[in-house]
Amino acid sequence: AQTVTQSQPEMSVQEAETVTLSCTYDTSESDYYLFWYKQPPSRQMILVIRQEAYKQQNATENRFSVNFQKAAKSFSLKISDSQLGDAAMYFCAYRGYGGATNKLIFGTGTLLAVQP
Amino acid sequence: NAGVTQTPKFRILKIGQSMTLQCTQDMNHNYMYWYRQDPGMGLKLIYYSVGAGITDKGEVPNGYNVSRSTTEDFPLRLELAAPSQTSVYFCASRQTANNYEQYFGPGTRLTVT
Repeated sequence: AQTVTQSQPEMSVQEAETVTLSCTYDTSESDYYLFWYKQPPSRQMILVIRQEAYKQQNATENRFSVNFQKAAKSFSLKISDSQLGDAAMYFCAYRGYGGATNKLIFGTGTLLAVQP
Repeated sequence: NAGVTQTPKFRILKIGQSMTLQCTQDMNHNYMYWYRQDPGMGLKLIYYSVGAGITDKGEVPNGYNVSRSTTEDFPLRLELAAPSQTSVYFCASRQTANNYEQYFGPGTRLTVT
């Protein structure tokens, strides 16, 4: 069974600085997707960034980028120029490529605080 | 488009009571999901559906039931509420194609006392 591990329960960053959130996963599949979701206090789950395992190039969305290391099964999220609005719980998630359901498997989350 | 809507936003139940959490999506998505999120944890899948009339169990289905009579609606039923079902419940939907994201509803906070 696939698992997703986030080993940092909490992180803190100064406004305008850069922070990296860690995520590791375990799978025997070769094709899959990895996601980072943001959950602010409003509880809404917001997709931040998506990475397809078959792509070697790391995904980037404005100030958010990932470091995807397929052999190491590592998928970290880098937030550059941190803003107060980035404060939230961040979840790493895995989804298999094949099969009828492609269920999302979530890590336990990292709570990010942004200090002014 | 309203996206994925859930009602109610909050609910307090007494032990043994029953209720239905409503979920509706207006994006014509085939796949729909119910998750629960316990404090300090990630989301765990309760039930899912790949289309009208088709449902299946997820990781933590005990104590819940679902139905999918239309593409739009995917209600979650709690028959005999227990304190262990105190959680935040999220409904989500997505298109059939592999590379489409799941869209989440705003969640329902349920407390069972």
